[in-house]
Parts: sequence; C-alpha cells; structure tokens
Amino acid sequence: GQNIDQPTEMTATEGAIVQINCTYQTSGFNGLFWYQQHAGEAPTFLSYNVLDGLEEKGRFSSFLSRSKGYSYLLLKELQMKDSASYLCAPMDSNYQLIWGAGTKLIIKP
Amino acid sequence: GAVVSQHPSWVICKSGTSVKIECRSLDFQATTMFWYRQFPKQSLMLMATSNEGSKATYEQGVEKDKFLINHASLTLSTLTVTSAHPEDSSFYICSARDLTGNQPQHFGDGTRLSIL
Repeated sequence: GQNIDQPTEMTATEGAIVQINCTYQTSGFNGLFWYQQHAGEAPTFLSYNVLDGLEEKGRFSSFLSRSKGYSYLLLKELQMKDSASYLCAPMDSNYQLIWGAGTKLIIKP
Repeated sequence: GAVVSQHPSWVICKSGTSVKIECRSLDFQATTMFWYRQFPKQSLMLMATSNEGSKATYEQGVEKDKFLINHASLTLSTLTVTSAHPEDSSFYICSARDLTGNQPQHFGDGTRLSIL
C-alpha cells in the first residue's frame, strides 16, 4: 500500500529552526512535494525533490533520500506567519500525489 | 506564474440545490485537473482526476452521478454538486497541473460549501 508518516503536530519558537520529517511508501516514485496549508485555505506549493540531496529556497530547504523513503522540510528563522500545516506529498508511478494529514506547526513568540 | 482561479469562494444554499464550481488555470495549460474535498482538521481527499476532453476518473466511494465533472478545455474544469445535502457541506479545492507529469499541482483558493 501507499502511506505517509509525519508527526501530527510540532511546536517551535519564533526565530528558531525546525525540521519536519516525512517517511513514505509509494507504488513507484516520481518525486516528492512539500506544501504549506494555512487553516481554512488551500495548499500552496513549497518545494519539489526528485533526486537525493538538499534543495534550498530561501528560509525553506527540503531534503530527500529515495533509498530510505525519507524527506524533511527545514524551516529557518521562523516567523509567526509560518504557523500552518505542512504536507509531504510523494508522487507515485501514475504521477498522482499521495496526501497524508500533514504536520501542524505552531510557532510561539 | 502558475495561477489557478476557483469560483465561487463561498456558497450557502438550500438542500436539494445543485451547485457549480469553476476551476481555471490562468497562465498555463492544464491537461489534468484534480478535485479534492477536505473536512475540518482532516487531510485532503482526492475525489476525481479530470483530463481535458475525456471522462473524469473518480476515486472509490465518490458518486460520479452526484459530483459531475466537466473538463472541456485546457484551462477550465467544473464540478457540479447535484441535489446537495447538508452532508455535502465541505471545503472543495481544485488543482491543476501543467502538461508534463512531474510538475507541481497548483491549487485554487477553494470553495466553502454550506448546505442548509
């Protein structure tokens, strides 16, 4: 079967760094996406990894290890507006995204 | 770039009414559009995948006669919730993907549907 495992909720302090881990199992693999979803809003695209390694984009970085079925999203210099759910979504062999429940990140001052 | 427009953003209507939701890709051609439903504090649930010019592929448990999907052009897909009932109240979100398979899905802003 296909499944995704992410922590349900994480708490971090404004200005700090947080790493959100994701492990996955899919039928085939065509890359992994990270999305941000604020409460009551639609998801917005953050990053895409298809090869092993780290992709950096401003305050956000995403890492992938295909052999381990593992990815993480690293958020630096946390701001209050980063409070949201973060969705790890691998893409299977049919180019379909597999969605989990995501990780709710709470930022405290 | 990669803007997806979804309309309307909020609908409140009586039970038994049919509601149409539009999803448009504004600056790219979307061969594939996706329709999701999301209940409060739950994950996105894929309802159907819509390919331009062909019938939509519905996920298991989604009634195709109740949730009518039309994808007549590369920039427009519509979802019609027919004879809506209170249990259909939810957050409906569309997404669109560019021509190549491994591009990200870009989401519309969603439609909050409340059936009284």
